[in-house]
Amino acid sequence: ETGVTQTPRHLVMGMTNKKSLKCEQHLGHNAMYWYKQSAKKPLELMFVYSLEERVENNSVPSRFSPECPNSSHLFLHLHTLQPEDSALYLCASSQARGWETQYFGPGTRLLVL
Amino acid sequence: SQQGEEDPQALSIQEGENATMNCSYKTSINNLQWYRQNSGRGLVHLILIRSNEREKHSGRLRVTLDTSKKSSSLLITASRAADTASYFCAHSGGGADGLTFGKGTHLIIQP
Repeated sequence: ETGVTQTPRHLVMGMTNKKSLKCEQHLGHNAMYWYKQSAKKPLELMFVYSLEERVENNSVPSRFSPECPNSSHLFLHLHTLQPEDSALYLCASSQARGWETQYFGPGTRLLVL
Repeated sequence: SQQGEEDPQALSIQEGENATMNCSYKTSINNLQWYRQNSGRGLVHLILIRSNEREKHSGRLRVTLDTSKKSSSLLITASRAADTASYFCAHSGGGADGLTFGKGTHLIIQP
């Protein structure tokens, strides 16, 4: 147990659905991250939030929309996804943005049909 | 790409043997970290070595860092079946806001 929880753990959705992934950290950290892990590819950093301010990776398609209502919660809103978006989505947190040790949640395994 | 590379991509050894994994990176770094991931789960932080350090130990883990060669190695001594997992190096710096991960080494410990 790392102190970072993610729900749901598994999600199957159609390309026209709208769903949200939730992440919560109980560590008092100020930075939170979304990563995408696809088969045979390295972890891809999607979004970084520091003190609820977003630092966006510009290569992320707009069908992924993050939200950070407070420093403990992070959401990833999904809409009109493609089958190639199927992956393990990992949330992480760290004390501060940048080079600190990151603590990961268990991930949400997403399948887009 | 600022991404690092682990080597080998896969490693299978007998229980009790030592396992060595290598990592190379391309940018200047603040620190280099190693993480472990069991199949389909989240990553767990193992050890962090700062750019001004050359070697660090934690239990059965030994990490080295050579900033002149932009490389690091992770040694797991007296391996156990429970060490079976994927191991990733990650580095900070180069202007990135988070960590840049390599593709990982998949380690299998055979009983």
